[in-house]
Order: sequence, then structure tokens, then C-alpha cells
Amino acid sequence: AQSVSQHNHHVILSEAASLELGCNYSYGGTVNLFWYVQYPGQHLQLLLKYFSGDPLVKGIKGFEAEFIKSKFSFNLRKPSVQWSDTAEYFCAVNGRSSASKIIFGSGTRLSIRP
Amino acid sequence: KAGVTQTPRYLIKTRGQQVTLSCSPISGHRSVSWYQQTPGQGLQFLFEYFSETQRNKGNFPGRFSGRQFSNSRSEMNVSTLELGDSALYLCASSLSLAGDRDTQYFGPGTRLTVL
Repeated sequence: AQSVSQHNHHVILSEAASLELGCNYSYGGTVNLFWYVQYPGQHLQLLLKYFSGDPLVKGIKGFEAEFIKSKFSFNLRKPSVQWSDTAEYFCAVNGRSSASKIIFGSGTRLSIRP
Repeated sequence: KAGVTQTPRYLIKTRGQQVTLSCSPISGHRSVSWYQQTPGQGLQFLFEYFSETQRNKGNFPGRFSGRQFSNSRSEMNVSTLELGDSALYLCASSLSLAGDRDTQYFGPGTRLTVL
């Protein structure tokens, strides 16, 4: 069955701490991978995406993610978080065909202590 | 360029009623997808429309339906509302289908409350 697992439901960090949010997926075939962020009161927006090529992908606001095919993982990282990174983060996957459906993880709520 | 817009932003209905939600995609985008977001189930894919045709469908009952017009605007209809339909309904648009390499841009959502 197709699924995306985000094991951390709520992460609390202090400013300047390093961040890593886990994402594992189960999806047949070649995949596209995404991280979306939803800041309080704002739209869901794309942080970064992986389609092919370099498995280390850099996104907006200093975020990056690494695709490890053998582990079916696409973890999100940031070396030093800021209070403004407080948000909910969603990992998502879809396949490379026009009939593919995008599957979202359940989300990880990130709270940053100032 | 204007973003994805959804109307109305908030809606309160009672069980058994039906509701229609509207989504206007970014200009030039031809694909519109709908999602249901709830605290318990997270974000779940409802359906995707491209060039006025439903191209993909999630695992929702037939009470959930949609359509897309020639200007790419889309509507979603839920008939015979149930309490469990209370959710944030998100619309996303992209240039082409979700399986292609285009980014989906999300609207602010319509918050539906069923009493």
C-alpha cells in the first residue's frame, strides 16, 4: 500500500538548534518527493522537491533534504532553526505517471522556543 | 500573478445538506486538485481535474464530486453532509498533471463545519 510516515508528530527545539524531520515512504516505482510547510494562518507552500539527479536537495529558507533510495527516506534538515520556522511540515510523494496520486504524511508540528 | 483563490473561506452547514466549494487556479494552470485536511486523517487526496476531465480520484464516497470548467476553475460538491465531513478543503493548481514535474500551489482552503 502507498503511504508516507512522519514519525515525529511534535518537535520542540530552541533557536539555533539543528533540525532533522524524518520521512519514510512506501510507493511503487519511481517517485517525486516533496516537503511542504504550513505556517500558522498561512497557505500550504512548497519547501523543496526532488525529481531526479542530486539526492541532496536545497529549498527555501535554508532547508535541505536528502533522498536515500535504499532507505525509502527523504528527511528534512536545517542546521540552525529560527523562531519563524514554527510551523507544520508535511512530506509527500507521488509517482511519475499522470495517473499517480499524491500521498501526504500526517505532518510534524515544529515549535521553536525563542 | 494572483494565487489560488477559494470561496467561501468558511461555511457552516447541517447534516443532510449539500455544499459547493469553488476554486480559481493560478492563471495559466490547467490542473486543479482537491484535498481534505482533518486533524485525524491529515491531508487526503480527493480528485484531480485537468482540461475539464477528472484524471485521478482518491478513496472517497460518491457523495464527493467535482467538475472543472473551460477556464480551469473548479467546483467541488458534497451531498448529504455528515458530521465527519467537517474539515479544511484545500485546492491546489499546477500547470500540468500532478505526476509531471510541476509544483502544486495551494489555496487558503475552505473551512467546512457540519452541525
